[in-house]
Amino acid sequence: DVKVTQSSRYLVKRTGEKVFLECVQDMDHENMFWYRQDPGLGLRLIYFSYDVKMKEKGDIPEGYSVSREKKERFSLILESASTNQTSMYLCASRLQGTDTQYFGPGTRLTVL
Amino acid sequence: DQQVKQNSPSLSVQEGRISILNCDYTNSMFDYFLWYKKYPAEGPTFLISISSIKDKNEDGRFTVFLNKSAKHLSLHIVPSQPGDSAVYFCAASGSNFGNEKLTFGTGTRLTIIP
Repeated sequence: DVKVTQSSRYLVKRTGEKVFLECVQDMDHENMFWYRQDPGLGLRLIYFSYDVKMKEKGDIPEGYSVSREKKERFSLILESASTNQTSMYLCASRLQGTDTQYFGPGTRLTVL
Repeated sequence: DQQVKQNSPSLSVQEGRISILNCDYTNSMFDYFLWYKKYPAEGPTFLISISSIKDKNEDGRFTVFLNKSAKHLSLHIVPSQPGDSAVYFCAASGSNFGNEKLTFGTGTRLTIIP
């Protein structure tokens, strides 16, 4: 079974803090994704990575950056957290050449 | 512009009856569609998918129907069970060969009434 883990289930940060969200997958998947889920808006893609050291902007990249130094790990960085970044953050991975993405349990981030 | 739409934010169905969740899309380049199920405080899990070369795909109690001319797909769950209570997202892709991002709908919260 594919396992995608995220470093924290719940996180509370203050406005202006730098925030790191970590995601690790154990199935040697090339592709990894970061989404945020908000009520009434569904899942929106922030950034994705086709392979190590590669990154592509998704639909809502503003205020975020990512890092993919190792194949199994994909980090989402909020450079200066703001209250409108309070959300559920979901990481996913996918085997290259397939469509099914496997999701982690999510991190609920609250920015005060 | 929402390219994948789930117009019903919520749906309540009696246990044992059929649940029908609907999804519409606007981009004619989409050719692969997936349904995900999400419980609170968990990540979405893959449920069932369909390629545009088919109009129906079945897996146990779950069937997905695709109407390409109407740009509409639906997920049928029969019989509905209490454990089916969750949020369901449909998603679309422009290729069934991977390397394409998924576009998700806004979700429908299904509640099964015992």
